[in-house]
Amino acid sequence: RKEVEQDPGPFNVPEGATVAFNCTYSNSASQSFFWYRQDCRKEPKLLMSVYSSGNEDGRFTAQLNRASQYISLLIRDSKLSDSATYLCVVSTGGGNKLTFGTGTQLKVEL
Amino acid sequence: NAGVTQTPKFQVLKTGQSMTLQCAQDMNHNSMYWYRQDPGMGLRLIYYSASEGTTDKGEVPNGYNVSRLNKREFSLRLESAAPSQTSVYFCASSEGARDEQYFGPGTRLTVT
Repeated sequence: RKEVEQDPGPFNVPEGATVAFNCTYSNSASQSFFWYRQDCRKEPKLLMSVYSSGNEDGRFTAQLNRASQYISLLIRDSKLSDSATYLCVVSTGGGNKLTFGTGTQLKVEL
Repeated sequence: NAGVTQTPKFQVLKTGQSMTLQCAQDMNHNSMYWYRQDPGMGLRLIYYSASEGTTDKGEVPNGYNVSRLNKREFSLRLESAAPSQTSVYFCASSEGARDEQYFGPGTRLTVT
């Protein structure tokens, strides 16, 4: 089983739609969780950290469910500029490094 | 404040040639990382340096060596390039091992 698993997509949604991605992780001792965004042929960039209580940043909401070992990202009112690959990232191995999921591709269409 | 910089941006090597990828960060971060990214595989950690003077193997270290030259710089060396090392290489840095990482723009390497 992979340490971090994501549905690769692509998710094709119309502009203005709400879309949600889930990610599962295998190490129950993981302590840090992030969502990164990667545009085509560019470097990954931090979108948001994920906290136990859940957190929101504008149109983006991240949730953490430790009991079920999954993390979610909700994007409301999708924009064309949200088209990218979203990477789920989790600390592993006693917390001394991060493991990246393979990413979920989102395409927002007119 | 340039963040994380990498050189070169593109490189083509012949099998058996050697080269060094350079990475520097100006955020005074303790930890630095080298990843490779291949289609369908996601980012895979090659080597990392938790602090100046230390380096450790990641998931895919074979065929690579690293040097943490000082707190700012972390280089990746391919001693004898192979076609399987064709990939996009990203350098990253973070304050600590569990903190968010900041990435450089990447080096696109082709080995023929």
